Amino acid sequence: DQQVKQNSPSLSVQEGRISILNCDYTNSMFDYFLWYKKYPAEGPTFLISISSIKDKNEDGRFTVFLNKSAKHLSLHIVPSQPGDSAVYFCAATTSGTYKYIFGTGTRLKVLA
Amino acid sequence: DADVTQTPRNRITKTGKRIMLECSQTKGHDRMYWYRQDPGLGLRLIYYSFDVKDINKGEISDGYSVSRQAQAKFSLSLESAIPNQTALYFCATSDPLAGQDNEQFFGPGTRLTVL
Repeated sequence: DQQVKQNSPSLSVQEGRISILNCDYTNSMFDYFLWYKKYPAEGPTFLISISSIKDKNEDGRFTVFLNKSAKHLSLHIVPSQPGDSAVYFCAATTSGTYKYIFGTGTRLKVLA
Repeated sequence: DADVTQTPRNRITKTGKRIMLECSQTKGHDRMYWYRQDPGLGLRLIYYSFDVKDINKGEISDGYSVSRQAQAKFSLSLESAIPNQTALYFCATSDPLAGQDNEQFFGPGTRLTVL
């Protein structure tokens, strides 16, 4: 049973445009969500996170939106750059457990 | 120098062999994790440890064992490797007290192939 789902395995976007990566979850106990970026031959690196007490968190070109009622979060990258081409994972956890459930990943390709 | 290191980076072995993957960290974090990544399945948690005396099973612990030899070292063993354990394995650390984002720090991964 996949508790965290990323339904789009891949996404292609033109440089300068917006990239929107989506993530859905089923466990209502999750209250903290993270996005990681992974380049080939490297481990995932943390990108941005959001607590369930917020509906938006912004860091430079990256914004994460959380819709608790829909159990849905999205990562917006504006403007997209070729260096953003990577696999993006969303992850979810319940505070205090320090146990993270990851989605299946979305491969983003930003076309120059 | 990398904060989280994994050895070996690549390993090819045969069915039935015992394999140990090692992870070391210089971040001083108490929490350490082992994940495997498979195409289309994302990262799945195998085992995690919150300190030297604490070991917990994750989603897919069958066929694996771990050892937390010290705060800085967390090893994953496959007692008798089978082909469906072919995957990319990642070690990670975290320490919520050290940062506000509850993030994990990952090693570069070990690519294991079981023939």
